[in-house]
Amino acid sequence: GAVVSQHPSRVICKSGTSVKIECRSLDFQATTMFWYRQFPKQSLMLMATSNEGSKATYEQGVEKDKFLINHASLTLSTLTVTSAHPEDSSFYICSARDSTTAARSYEQYFGPGTRLTVT
Amino acid sequence: TQLLEQSPQFLSIQEGENLTVYCNSSSVFSSLQWYRQEPGEGPVLLVTVVTGGEVKKLKRLTFQFGDARKDSSLHITAAQPGDTGLYLCAGPDSNYQLIWGAGTKLIIKP
Repeated sequence: GAVVSQHPSRVICKSGTSVKIECRSLDFQATTMFWYRQFPKQSLMLMATSNEGSKATYEQGVEKDKFLINHASLTLSTLTVTSAHPEDSSFYICSARDSTTAARSYEQYFGPGTRLTVT
Repeated sequence: TQLLEQSPQFLSIQEGENLTVYCNSSSVFSSLQWYRQEPGEGPVLLVTVVTGGEVKKLKRLTFQFGDARKDSSLHITAAQPGDTGLYLCAGPDSNYQLIWGAGTKLIIKP
């Protein structure tokens, strides 16, 4: 159980275009999902917390107009990188918290990540 | 601000050797989690420690939570090349967001 999928796993886009990344909890409901960015050989950097049915909470320094997050259902959150530039190239990872297991609600289950390359 | 300091940042050892990775903080955490991440993949949860002084074993991996719940360690016995990866410790803050250590890049040479 507790499987999170991400799509696509790898995407290459041209500078100035937008890219949408999907994060799905496959066998549980997740009122809260998290989006991370990871640079090579570094730890995860939290970008934003996505809450079902409400606006996402962005971390300091993350442009909310550039990284649009939509959490329209209990199993799906999307991250759209708008007007992408080469510096947005990175590994983007989502995670989800199981809403039903309140006793261990601190645990997050991670997707496999999306490698974005902007040319 | 809660911080997690992980050490060492990089470790390269021969197959069969033992090693320990540390995760330290000046703050108390309700729990700490250890993840392993391989290149191009998301982190995979290895274990969650919740009780001060708790010891959990996962085959050749032994995880310990400090009595004061401010630190944790991961000990690997007789390391194998398959143990190679990035090991991350993390703990939840009051909003259930995870605070991450910087990670330990582990390479086990055959």
